[in-house]
Amino acid sequence: EAGVTQFPSHSVIEKGQTVTLRCDPISGHDNLYWYRRVMGKEIKFLLHFVKESKQDESGMPNNRFLAERTGGTYSTLKVQPAELEDSGVYFCASSQDGRGDYGYTFGSGTRLTVV
Amino acid sequence: DAKTTQPPSMDCAEGRAANLPCNHSTISGNEYVYWYRQIHSQGPQYIIHGLKNNETNEMASLIITEDRKSSTLILPHATLRDTAVYYCIVRFQYGNKLVFGAGTILRVKS
Repeated sequence: EAGVTQFPSHSVIEKGQTVTLRCDPISGHDNLYWYRRVMGKEIKFLLHFVKESKQDESGMPNNRFLAERTGGTYSTLKVQPAELEDSGVYFCASSQDGRGDYGYTFGSGTRLTVV
Repeated sequence: DAKTTQPPSMDCAEGRAANLPCNHSTISGNEYVYWYRQIHSQGPQYIIHGLKNNETNEMASLIITEDRKSSTLILPHATLRDTAVYYCIVRFQYGNKLVFGAGTILRVKS
């Protein structure tokens, strides 16, 4: 089966611009998660979708970040306007089981650089 | 969330077993221990998880102490491709998010 796909793999934008990251989960996985690692820090949870609904968005850093999952398939994460501190790697993960008892499958991530 | 403590780095000879320890002394009764690893430039990869019994799969074994306050991930025959950062994670009790720590950098050397 195809894994979790993220694109772009790299993005370089200027401060103040908008960037949209996309994640295609494994087909049939209702649960989709966004995580990120900013420079020098640990991987942090951002939010969790169950189908198209936001189950937990406690990790979203501020209102410059907007995640959507229309139709319960792929998800987008928009950063508008981007700031320098948003630079890092953004990971998406999906799971079939909401409790993650069978593990979460992560994508390879999008490396975002804000200059 | 329960916290985990791991050594920052370890070395292992190729072909030998790699034993990665993790302390999770504040773990609650129904929290699972998960292990993930991240190979350079890739996303985290699920390895194994357990509640209280020892577990084994094609990648590794997980040994959990009887009091559940610590565990050990065992890679039975480490290869150079096992060089990665290994994360021991206690899953948030009623949620689904994973809380990553700093992990252990495992270097497998020939």
